[in-house]
Amino acid sequence: GAGVSQSPRYKVAKRGQDVALRCDPISGHVSLFWYQQALGQGPEFLTYFQNEAQLDKSGLPSDRFFAERPEGSVSTLKIQRTQQEDSAVYLCASSPGYEQYFGPGTRLTVT
Amino acid sequence: KQEVTQIPAALSVPEGENLVLNCSFTDSAIYNLQWFRQDPGKGLTSLLLIQSSQREQTSGRLNASLDKSSGRSTLYIAASQPGDSATYLCAVRPQGYSTLTFGKGTMLLVSP
Repeated sequence: GAGVSQSPRYKVAKRGQDVALRCDPISGHVSLFWYQQALGQGPEFLTYFQNEAQLDKSGLPSDRFFAERPEGSVSTLKIQRTQQEDSAVYLCASSPGYEQYFGPGTRLTVT
Repeated sequence: KQEVTQIPAALSVPEGENLVLNCSFTDSAIYNLQWFRQDPGKGLTSLLLIQSSQREQTSGRLNASLDKSSGRSTLYIAASQPGDSATYLCAVRPQGYSTLTFGKGTMLLVSP
């Protein structure tokens, strides 16, 4: 079956631009997670949804970061007024319960 | 706050060697522990998941153990192959939480 998909796979943004990153989870998975992975580091938690409810957004680094999952399926991570320190790989994962399944990530480069 | 440490940060071995990757975590109150593989430019592939009540899990040439009381897990790779070259990440799910806390990974290179 289809896994977690993310789009775009690569995004280059000029500093100050807004970007939107999309995640399509595995069908039927209730939980959805966003992580940020800087170069040479492990992924760090950003936010978590159960169905359409955002249960934890404690990892979002600033109020420029916003995530939504309006119908409990597809999710979008939006970053406003991008800064150079936002350059990273953004990983999405979905889960039916115990185990998380990750997408290929979106590599964001802010110039 | 849960912290996860992986040792070594990088490892280079010749093909055929058995090897051990180490993971330690500071808070033993975990729900489960997962080992992932990450290839360059790719996402994470789950290798093994160990529930807090389990001591080990095996899949093919991979064996992961968990000692919750001492805050340690090891990933054993038998008869390593060049195709095993990747970064291996350890992640714990704390009790009461759904999110994962990751280590920085061990970058493995297996040479022919």
